[in-house]
Amino acid sequence: DIQMTQSPSSLSAAVGDRVTITCRTNQNISTYLNWYQQKPQKVPKLLIYAASNLQSGVPSRFSGSGSGTDFTLTISSLQLEDFATYFCQQSYTTPLTFGGGTKVEVK
Amino acid sequence: EMQVVESGGGLVQPGGSLRLSCAASGFAFSDHYMDWVRQAPGKGLEWVGRTRNGANNYITEYAASVKGRFIMSRDDSKNSMWLQMNSLKTEDTAVYYCGRAVGYCVDNVCYYYAMDVWGQGTSVTVSS
Repeated sequence: DIQMTQSPSSLSAAVGDRVTITCRTNQNISTYLNWYQQKPQKVPKLLIYAASNLQSGVPSRFSGSGSGTDFTLTISSLQLEDFATYFCQQSYTTPLTFGGGTKVEVK
Repeated sequence: EMQVVESGGGLVQPGGSLRLSCAASGFAFSDHYMDWVRQAPGKGLEWVGRTRNGANNYITEYAASVKGRFIMSRDDSKNSMWLQMNSLKTEDTAVYYCGRAVGYCVDNVCYYYAMDVWGQGTSVTVSS
């Protein structure tokens, strides 16, 4: 199985901050990498697919980059509604695997 | 509006069985792969399995943790799929989400699957 390592596991940030979350895989997955956002007690929501493609309706302050084994999710200017947990997922091969999550909290 | 709705969760004893349902609406169910993902209390997301569409022979794939115990099925005429869970263990306790796995196209490659429609989840508790 492809192992996913997300870092950090949590971070504190203020509104307006630039936030970067990293996801690393233990084998080359090209750009088969998705990012999801989950707010407390809510259903996960797709943010980015294929490493860098913004899902329809997702604000442009979210962006993704990377290929191979190293990927990043960036929020250019954190908004109040962005405080949530973020998960990466590889879709290169089954079994699909998720990162452990990064919780973004209010500083 | 595209949506999926899960049902069938509940409390079951270890070793028991439960059947979850997922009803889809607002999109061409038969065209799509469908996934199950679960989330144990306070934990992250875990992919459970996938049922491919008819064009891909309805192939099912499972996570190692459930293979041999869980069975996925679908009926395109009913826009529905099911997750039959047998020999349940306490570690199967989780909220179970079903969702549409859509194949996004990038540079003419359309295998970038991601779950773009999620249900609200159904809670399964395995406990004596």
